[in-house]
Amino acid sequence: ELKVEQNPLFLSMQEGKNYTIYCNYSTTSDRLYWYRQDPGKSLESLFVLLSNGAVKQEGRLMASLDTKARLSTLHITAAVHDLSATYFCAVAYNFNKFYFGSGTKLNVKP
Amino acid sequence: GAGVSQTPSNKVTEKGKYVELRCDPISGHTALYWYRQSLGQGPEFLIYFQGTGAADDSGLPNDRFFAVRPEGSVSTLKIQRTERGDSAVYLCASSPIPDRGLGETQYFGPGTRLLVL
Repeated sequence: ELKVEQNPLFLSMQEGKNYTIYCNYSTTSDRLYWYRQDPGKSLESLFVLLSNGAVKQEGRLMASLDTKARLSTLHITAAVHDLSATYFCAVAYNFNKFYFGSGTKLNVKP
Repeated sequence: GAGVSQTPSNKVTEKGKYVELRCDPISGHTALYWYRQSLGQGPEFLIYFQGTGAADDSGLPNDRFFAVRPEGSVSTLKIQRTERGDSAVYLCASSPIPDRGLGETQYFGPGTRLLVL
C-alpha cells in the first residue's frame, strides 16, 4: 500500500516569513496533488504536478515534484494570514486511487 | 454553476442503524469518488466510480459499506449496522473524466458529518 507522509504536521509562522512543507511517498507515481482545506470546509485543489521536475506557482505558493526522490515540496513565500489552513498532498496510484497525507496545519500569525 | 453537493450535511445515528449518504456530482462528470476523513487526518479513499460501475472499491473497509451509482450521476453510500468507529466526515468528489495521467482535478463536496452514538 502506498504511504504518504507530510511534515511538519503543524506549522506556526509569522507573516512575511518563508517556509517549506514536505511530502514523501513510498511508491512510484507520476501525479501529485496539493489541496487546501479551511476549517469545516471541503478541499480545494491548488496544484497538479505531472512529471519529474515540474514546478507550479500561484501567488505566494510554489509546488515542485521530484519523482526520483518521491518528494514534493510546497514552498510558502512571505506568508500572510489568509494562507492559514490545512494543506494536503495526495498521490495517484493505479490512475484513480488517491492516497492523501495527514495534512500540515498552517497558522500564520500577524 | 453548481458544485458537488452532499446530503445530509450532518447525520446522527445510533449504533447498529442503517444510513445512506447522498452525493450529487457536477453535471457531466463521469468519475465519482467517495472518501472518509477522520478528525485530524487526510481523506481516505473508499471507492471510485466510472459511470455506473464501481471501477475500484478496494478502499471500502468491510462488507457493511456499499455504494451505488445506478444512472451514472447521483451516488449513494450505504452503511449497514453502523459502529461508533464509522463516525467521520464522508467526502464525495467528481471529475470530468477519469484521471488517465493528465491530472484532471477532483472537485470535492462539502461532506456529510456522520456521528454514530
